[in-house]
Amino acid sequence: AQTVTQSQPEMSVQEAETVTLSCTYDTSESDYYLFWYKQPPSRQMILVIRQEAYKQQNATENRFSVNFQKAAKSFSLKISDSQLGDAAMYFCAYRSGLGTGANSKLTFGKGITLSVRP
Amino acid sequence: NAGVTQTPKFQVLKTGQSMTLQCAQDMNHEYMSWYRQDPGMGLRLIHYSVGAGITDQGEVPNGYNVSRSTTEDFPLRLLSAAPSQTSVYFCASSSGQANTEAFFGQGTRLTVV
Repeated sequence: AQTVTQSQPEMSVQEAETVTLSCTYDTSESDYYLFWYKQPPSRQMILVIRQEAYKQQNATENRFSVNFQKAAKSFSLKISDSQLGDAAMYFCAYRSGLGTGANSKLTFGKGITLSVRP
Repeated sequence: NAGVTQTPKFQVLKTGQSMTLQCAQDMNHEYMSWYRQDPGMGLRLIHYSVGAGITDQGEVPNGYNVSRSTTEDFPLRLLSAAPSQTSVYFCASSSGQANTEAFFGQGTRLTVV
């Protein structure tokens, strides 16, 4: 079974600075997808960024980028130019790349609460 | 453009009561699932469905029942609520294709007293 580990329960960053959120995972599969979800106080789950394991290039979405180290099974999220609206809980998630059906499930880490200091 | 609609947003139950959390999606997604979110535990899969008439258990299924009579709807039933079921519940749907994102409802905060 796959596992996702987020070992830091809380982090804090100064507005306009850069912060990196860590995530490691364990799997025996070679084809999979990794995601970062943001959960603001509204509770809504918002997809921030996704990474396909077969792609060597790290995904980027505006101020958000990942550092994907497949051999180390590490998938960290970097937030540049942090804004007050980035304050939220962030979840790392894993999804098997092996077809559909039961393999469509997401396995989540425990989450990390990010606070942004003005 | 409704996406995933989950009701109610808040609910208080007494121990032993039953209730149904409703979930509907309008994206014709095959895959639907229910998660519960507890502090320090992340989101854990309760039940999922890969299509109408097909459901299966996730990581924490005990005390919950589901059915999928249509593609759109995937209700979650608590048969006899217990304080341990106090949690935030999320319904999610996806096309089932590996490279597509899951869409989540807005969550239900359930308190069992």
